[in-house]
Amino acid sequence: NAGVTQTPKFQVLKTGQSMTLQCAQDMNHNSMYWYRQDPGMGLRLIYYSASEGTTDKGEVPNGYNVSRLNKREFSLRLESAAPSQTSVYFCASSSREATEAFFGQGTRLTVV
Amino acid sequence: DQQVKQNSPSLSVQEGRISILNCDYTNSMFDYFLWYKKYPAEGPTFLISISSIKDKNEDGRFTVFLNKSAKHLSLHIVPSQPGDSAVYFCAASASNRGSTLGRLYFGRGTQLTVWP
Repeated sequence: NAGVTQTPKFQVLKTGQSMTLQCAQDMNHNSMYWYRQDPGMGLRLIYYSASEGTTDKGEVPNGYNVSRLNKREFSLRLESAAPSQTSVYFCASSSREATEAFFGQGTRLTVV
Repeated sequence: DQQVKQNSPSLSVQEGRISILNCDYTNSMFDYFLWYKKYPAEGPTFLISISSIKDKNEDGRFTVFLNKSAKHLSLHIVPSQPGDSAVYFCAASASNRGSTLGRLYFGRGTQLTVWP
């Protein structure tokens, strides 16, 4: 009963470094999401994928890229990390109708 | 443009009393609504949901009310307990509608504090 698994849980990057956050779900969900949570800002959608091979920008996509290579996995890449990207990142997946959704435990990213 | 709004960033309630968290939405295509609870250092967890064909759904101490004409929903917690202290997020989806199918829209959240 893994649900949604995110790796890593914690990461510290230097400005300009790149990294990929990994997310996998085992619930056969079509939709997957990447959110960031910042104090006072709630959950803001970075990117969204309605199905394998499709991705759409959310509210705050700048500085990020995503990849949905298969139904299970949805990765988020920071090509050149900036301090403004210091945040907690959550991956989620939902049924096609989005009547249920499950979140991972989050990745706490600090960019120095 | 936020389609789901939680206008109260925080709410403080005494233990044993009712907590009422509010949520408004703007998109008339939304037909399914969910509430999530989030503790610090954890991912959000599902709490309760409601379909637009209903106006109330109850699960133990938690009840969600939907007023479609006002595009408003609320979560009632009775009685409130200190363990309920968390951030509560409202979310909406258009479960069978066109281009928005399969996407959840979240509000900014309300921090609930239940004090003894």
